[in-house]
Amino acid sequence: AQSVTQLGSHVSVSEGALVLLRCNYSSSVPPYLFWYVQYPNQGLQLLLKYTTGATLVKGINGFEAEFKKSETSFHLTKPSAHMSDAAEYFCAVGQASGSARQLTFGSGTQLTVLP
Amino acid sequence: KAGVTQTPRYLIKTRGQQVTLSCSPISGHRSVSWYQQTPGQGLQFLFEYFSETQRNKGNFPGRFSGRQFSNSRSEMNVSTLELGDSALYLCASSSQGTTNQETQYFGPGTRLLVL
Repeated sequence: AQSVTQLGSHVSVSEGALVLLRCNYSSSVPPYLFWYVQYPNQGLQLLLKYTTGATLVKGINGFEAEFKKSETSFHLTKPSAHMSDAAEYFCAVGQASGSARQLTFGSGTQLTVLP
Repeated sequence: KAGVTQTPRYLIKTRGQQVTLSCSPISGHRSVSWYQQTPGQGLQFLFEYFSETQRNKGNFPGRFSGRQFSNSRSEMNVSTLELGDSALYLCASSSQGTTNQETQYFGPGTRLLVL
């Protein structure tokens, strides 16, 4: 079974500082990985995804993530935090076998951006 | 294109009642998945429908059921509500649902409160 672990349920950064949200996955087959963001009282919005090919993935709003197979990691970064980045972030892995469509999510990281 | 829509957005029920939630996927999308989000358990997969057939089901009791119509709209039903069913229920759609690489697009969710 695939699983995702997000290290740090709460992360605080100052405005303009680097954002680093950690995600490690467990999968016996090549994973398909996603980062979603959730603003209060809203659904999930896709930030970026890794399927195959380039290991550095660029997403929306200046976010990017690097797939590192040797470390089983898919950490999310943004060079300079903005107040509008305050939200909850979820890493997810797509089911890698069969035709069924399922995402397994991490427990989420709440990002606070301090002025 | 309009996004995924869910109705109602908010719902209050009492224990023992049943509830039906509705989801309209993005036009042309044939796969619809449902997720439950709670503070304690996080985001958990409920089930996925494709072309009116349930293809995959998460680890939830039989009180949770769903269906999909020929126009891809989906409903989920929870019978004999329990306090623990209070949650945000998210619906997501994807175009073909034939590969786990596909992006799932989420609706805003229905927030259910069971008293």
